[in-house]
Amino acid sequence: QVQLVQSGAEVKKPGASVKVSCKASGYTFTAYYMHWVRQAPGQGLEWMGWINPNSGDTNYAQRFQGRVTMTSDTSISTAYLELSGLRSDDTAVYFCARPDIFWSFDYWGQGTLVSVSS
Amino acid sequence: DVVMTQSPLSLPVTLGQSASISCRSSQSLVYSDGDTYLNWFQQRPGQSPRRLIYKVFHRDSGVPDRFSGSGSGTDFTLKISRVEAEDVGVYYCMQGTHWPPYTFGQGTKLEIK
Repeated sequence: QVQLVQSGAEVKKPGASVKVSCKASGYTFTAYYMHWVRQAPGQGLEWMGWINPNSGDTNYAQRFQGRVTMTSDTSISTAYLELSGLRSDDTAVYFCARPDIFWSFDYWGQGTLVSVSS
Repeated sequence: DVVMTQSPLSLPVTLGQSASISCRSSQSLVYSDGDTYLNWFQQRPGQSPRRLIYKVFHRDSGVPDRFSGSGSGTDFTLKISRVEAEDVGVYYCMQGTHWPPYTFGQGTKLEIK
C-alpha cells in the first residue's frame, strides 16, 4: 500500500533553514511527481510546488521562489523540502502529497510541524 | 491564479440531517480536454487531508455514498446526506485545472449541533 512518511517536528529560529523529508513506499517513486502543501495553524491549505523525482525538475509557487528548494533521492525513495530565511509566519504543518492522473492528490504524508520562534 | 470561494465557512448540522457546501471558482474549471478538475477533501481534526471526490462527482474508493459532488463551470457543491459524527472536520475544494498553482478554498468547518 502507498505510504508517505515524513520526518518529525522541527523548531527553528527566524532566519534559519529547515529541511523536511518524505519517504515514499508502495509504489515506483520515480513514476510520480511529489507535491508539497502547507497549512498554518488554524488556516487553510496552500500549495508550495512540485518535484519530478525522475528528472529533478521543479516548479515552485511564486510566493516561495527564492526561499524553497525541493529535491529527491531516488535511491531511498525520499523527497525533501527545504525552506530558508524562516519567518514566524512560516510556522505551519508541511505535507507531501502524491498526485494522480486526475490532477489531484490521492495520498498525503502525515505532516511535519515546523515552528519558527525566537 | 484561480480563486476558490467556499460557503458557508461554518456549518452546524444535526446528526442525521443533510449538509451542503458551495464552492465557486473565479474562472471556469473546464479544461481543454472537456474534463473539470474539481476535487473535495475532508480533513478531520489532527489528520491529513483525505480526498473524497475528484473530477466534480467521482467518489474515491471507500468514501460512503452519503457524499456526493455536483456542479459545472464555476459552481460546485458537496452534499453530505445523513450526517454522522465521523463527518466532523473541515472540507476543502481544490481546483486542478489551471495549475500551477493548485488552489484551495478557505475551508468549511462542519460541526454537530
